[in-house]
Amino acid sequence: EVQLLESGGGLVQPGGSLRLSCVGTGFTFKNHAMTWVRQAPGKGLEWVSGISGNGIGTYFADSMKGRFTMSRDNSKNTVFLHMSSLRAEDTATYYCAKTSWGSGWANGDPFDRWGQGTLVTVSS
Amino acid sequence: SFELIQPPSVSVSPGQTASITCSGEKLENKYACWFQQKPGQSPVLVIYQDTRRPSGIPERFSASNSGNTATLTISGTQAMDEADYYCQSWDISTAVFGGGTRLTVL
Repeated sequence: EVQLLESGGGLVQPGGSLRLSCVGTGFTFKNHAMTWVRQAPGKGLEWVSGISGNGIGTYFADSMKGRFTMSRDNSKNTVFLHMSSLRAEDTATYYCAKTSWGSGWANGDPFDRWGQGTLVTVSS
Repeated sequence: SFELIQPPSVSVSPGQTASITCSGEKLENKYACWFQQKPGQSPVLVIYQDTRRPSGIPERFSASNSGNTATLTISGTQAMDEADYYCQSWDISTAVFGGGTRLTVL
């Protein structure tokens, strides 16, 4: 059974940094691109970033470029989201999801399994 | 920038057909997906590649994508279908979500 488990969320002050982790099990981790999607309280889904299976290709929403980075450690079946210069508007539940087709970050590849999310609160 | 527009809410009576639209420029030239999210739960993929249903998704869920509009259709809507629905597509290498539609089964 595919499982994705996020961790690392919590309370952080404006301007601070945080690293989220997501461990994937039940599938061949290195063979799938991965993505992060966030949801502010009471709001809709917002795509954050994606990474190819080998970790070489990373992709970001415009509002996250320069502040967020994404990486993965395939030996530990884990993807990371490194967030810096955090703002109040970054407060959200952050979900990781796996793609369906394969290791490349491909236009159209569906996000077929999601984790339960981890809450990040940016507040002083 | 590429945007996807959904109606904020749709209401349907049990057993009737619900349709949720998603509009974006030349959307028919891109793949569209649909996600269902119930309160307090993670999103679930219900449609991918415009019209395909993942295994385990009931046949009452179907979809189309033509022109500038993708449409999710739920036939014989059940109370359990009450949820938020999000469309999603792509702008080159960027994934884009619609604002979401709350489906109420009255």
